[in-house]
Amino acid sequence: AQKITQTQPGMFVQEKEAVTLDCTYDTSDPSYGLFWYKQPSSGEMIFLIYQGSYDQQNATEGRYSLNFQKARKSANLVISASQLGDSAMYFCAMREQYNFNKFYFGSGTKLNVKP
Amino acid sequence: DGGITQSPKYLFRKEGQNVTLSCEQNLNHDAMYWYRQDPGQGLRLIYYSQIVNDFQKGDIAEGYSVSREKKESFPLTVTSAQKNPTAFYLCASRQEVVSNQPQHFGDGTRLSIL
Repeated sequence: AQKITQTQPGMFVQEKEAVTLDCTYDTSDPSYGLFWYKQPSSGEMIFLIYQGSYDQQNATEGRYSLNFQKARKSANLVISASQLGDSAMYFCAMREQYNFNKFYFGSGTKLNVKP
Repeated sequence: DGGITQSPKYLFRKEGQNVTLSCEQNLNHDAMYWYRQDPGQGLRLIYYSQIVNDFQKGDIAEGYSVSREKKESFPLTVTSAQKNPTAFYLCASRQEVVSNQPQHFGDGTRLSIL
């Protein structure tokens, strides 16, 4: 069975500092994809960043980067220079190998950015 | 602007009643999805559709039904067989079913029991 674990239900970070949100996954598939989404209080899910299991380099998108450690099965999201607007729920998700329509989501981490 | 529109934003269901949640997209995406989100949990897949007139069950399809008669529309019916329907429902679409394509989500519908 596929499984995504986010062990930090809630986190605080000071504005302008960096923060790391943890995500570990469990799969026996050799090929898979990892996604991070942001969910503000309004409810919509916003795509942030993608990492493929065979990608040689860690993914980066602006202030977001993914610390991908394949052997440890972890895909932590790093947000640099936190902003007040970063306060939201963050979800890690995995797309399985044989069905590109199946995504498995973690339970999320609520990030609060303090001024 | 292109996007996904879910309606209504809030919905109340009486005992024994079927209710339908609307999802429309103007992104010309092929695939569409329905997820359920419960407090403190991640999203769980209810149904998905890759093309018109075809859909597949997800992990928690019992008590739900869908249709895909048009590319733009993927309504979800919560039937009376779903005994615990109170949740936040999210609709998503995806341009094409390839490895790195993310899903685009609507704003969600919050369903409660009266």
